[in-house]
Amino acid sequence: AQSVTQLDSHVSVSEGTPVLLRCNYSSSYSPSLFWYVQHPNKGLQLLLKYTSAATLVKGINGFEAEFKKSETSFHLTKPSAHMSDAAEYFCVVSDRGRNAGNMLTFGGGTRLMVKP
Amino acid sequence: DADVTQTPRNRITKTGKRIMLECSQTKGHDRMYWYRQDPGLGLRLIYYSFDVKDINKGEISDGYSVSRQAQAKFSLSLESAIPNQTALYFCATSRMSTTGELFFGEGSRLTVL
Repeated sequence: AQSVTQLDSHVSVSEGTPVLLRCNYSSSYSPSLFWYVQHPNKGLQLLLKYTSAATLVKGINGFEAEFKKSETSFHLTKPSAHMSDAAEYFCVVSDRGRNAGNMLTFGGGTRLMVKP
Repeated sequence: DADVTQTPRNRITKTGKRIMLECSQTKGHDRMYWYRQDPGLGLRLIYYSFDVKDINKGEISDGYSVSRQAQAKFSLSLESAIPNQTALYFCATSRMSTTGELFFGEGSRLTVL
């Protein structure tokens, strides 16, 4: 079985300061891991993905995440927050031993607020 | 125009009514999905379809049914809506070859009174 825990339901930062959104996972297989972003009244958009290549993954809009197998973590970071980063972020795990798509497990989401 | 289009975007209905949410895509993807989003629970899979003749139940299919009318169209029905089906519903598509990379519509917000 696979599961995802996003450790913070809400994170608030000031514009220009670093962002850290935390995600821990459990998986019976070698996992693929993803971060999706959801802006208000929009669908989810893929931010970045880890599928077994480099453990440090770079995504869109300056975000990156590091896969740490020993810690079962996949935290999302950005050096400097922008007002447009305010959104909800979802960490997602997929067991690569399963069929694509039908075994995605979503975390509960972290709402990122950016203060001027 | 959006690649994945959901209609209606908002719907308010009463308990016991039949509701259909429709999804169409222009991405040419074979795989289509219906998810439900509830606050704090993330997204949960209702049904998925890998092609027109292949439909599968997801994690929370009870109370829902689907129809894949064509490669580009995938509709979700609530035969007799109940208040705890009040949620935000998302349609998504994916290519056969890419694990976990989904393309989402903008969502259909359903309220059941």
